[in-house]
Amino acid sequence: DTEVTQTPKHLVMGMTNKKSLKCEQHMGHRAMYWYKQKAKKPPELMFVYSYEKLSINESVPSRFSPECPNSSLLNLHLHALQPEDSALYLCASSQEIRTGSQPQHFGDGTRLSIL
Amino acid sequence: SQKIEQNSEALNIQEGKTATLTCNYTNYSPAYLQWYRQDPGRGPVFLLLIRENEKEKRKERLKVTFDTTLKQSLFHITASQPADSATYLCALATWNTGNQFYFGTGTSLTVIP
Repeated sequence: DTEVTQTPKHLVMGMTNKKSLKCEQHMGHRAMYWYKQKAKKPPELMFVYSYEKLSINESVPSRFSPECPNSSLLNLHLHALQPEDSALYLCASSQEIRTGSQPQHFGDGTRLSIL
Repeated sequence: SQKIEQNSEALNIQEGKTATLTCNYTNYSPAYLQWYRQDPGRGPVFLLLIRENEKEKRKERLKVTFDTTLKQSLFHITASQPADSATYLCALATWNTGNQFYFGTGTSLTVIP
């Protein structure tokens, strides 16, 4: 079992739907991340939150909207997605983002399919 | 452009042998390099971290080396077992990017009984 919990595990949605992905960790980590991973490709960073503030946005389209309601929770709101957005969406956390010396703890992801 | 490449997309080895995976990078000055394991349908799991001023790190059957001159890290699994079959990812962080990591292309390892 991972210490980062993502829900739902699978999501199928139409291009006009609005849905949200959720991520939760109770390790006291202050940095949380969203990644997108296509099949047989490495994870690509989307967003980084540090102390509940958006720290990095890797030029992600506005149809993806992150939210960090508190230090344990991270959401990714989805609206008007395109078929090419179908992927595995991974959430991760680490103690902080100041240095690269800390491992990231990943959830098992949400498998998203856009019809 | 910045690249992190891992040797051959797929690597097959016989059980009991040592698997050696390569991570090569260009146009980075990494401060830290990490290795992760990813099983199908799961998130990556952290294995080892090595700093730029360290040559080698070990953990049980795992060994990582880091050569900043060659711009390369090697990841070794000794006495490999079928349970070691997975995709292995290297990830770099620079002094500028903090804990923002750039992942390599990954190597799918299959250990044949």
